[in-house]
Amino acid sequence: QQQVKQSPQSLIVQKGGIPIINCAYENTAFDYFPWYQQFPGKGPALLIAIRPDVSEKKEGRFTISFNKSAKQFSLHIMDSQPGDSATYFCAASLTGTASKLTFGTGTRLQVTL
Amino acid sequence: DTGVSQDPRHKITKRGQNVTFRCDPISEHNRLYWYRQTLGQGPEFLTYFQNEAQLEKSRLLSDRFSAERPKGSFSTLEIQRTEQGDSAMYLCASSSQSFGGNEQFFGPGTRLTVL
Repeated sequence: QQQVKQSPQSLIVQKGGIPIINCAYENTAFDYFPWYQQFPGKGPALLIAIRPDVSEKKEGRFTISFNKSAKQFSLHIMDSQPGDSATYFCAASLTGTASKLTFGTGTRLQVTL
Repeated sequence: DTGVSQDPRHKITKRGQNVTFRCDPISEHNRLYWYRQTLGQGPEFLTYFQNEAQLEKSRLLSDRFSAERPKGSFSTLEIQRTEQGDSAMYLCASSSQSFGGNEQFFGPGTRLTVL
């Protein structure tokens, strides 16, 4: 059972564009939603995270939008750069002892010049 | 470097051999997680420690897999009688319970290839 569904699978944007990656979750008990960036051969790096009590969070060029009623959240990358080309994973977890992350299947982003 | 470290970074083994991986978490983090990532997929949870106690194990963790965190610091993941299906990237992450425990920081991973 896939508890976090991510789309699109891949995305190509031009430099300066705003790629948007979407995720939907099933477990309404989830209360922590991070995004990770992963380069080939490296471990995932935490980018930004949000909790359900807010609808939007910005950190630098990265913004998470969160829709609790729809059980969806998305990542927007402003003014995208070629260095942003990587695979992005959304995830979800519970706070407390059951804090394991459930990941989406990933979005491979390519930012062209 | 104060991040999560993993050793070795790469391991090639023959089917049937045993392998052991090590993870050193961020020093003040009391939670440690193991995940497995296959090509083109997101990481999948394997097991989790809070201090030295193993609190949860995934159904993915067959009886050929064992993990330990004997002193609540570093952890080892052992795979016995490796199979070709065990080929994957094994990721370790750590977090601090005092900050809610959610922010998990990953190491670079150990890529296992079973021939």
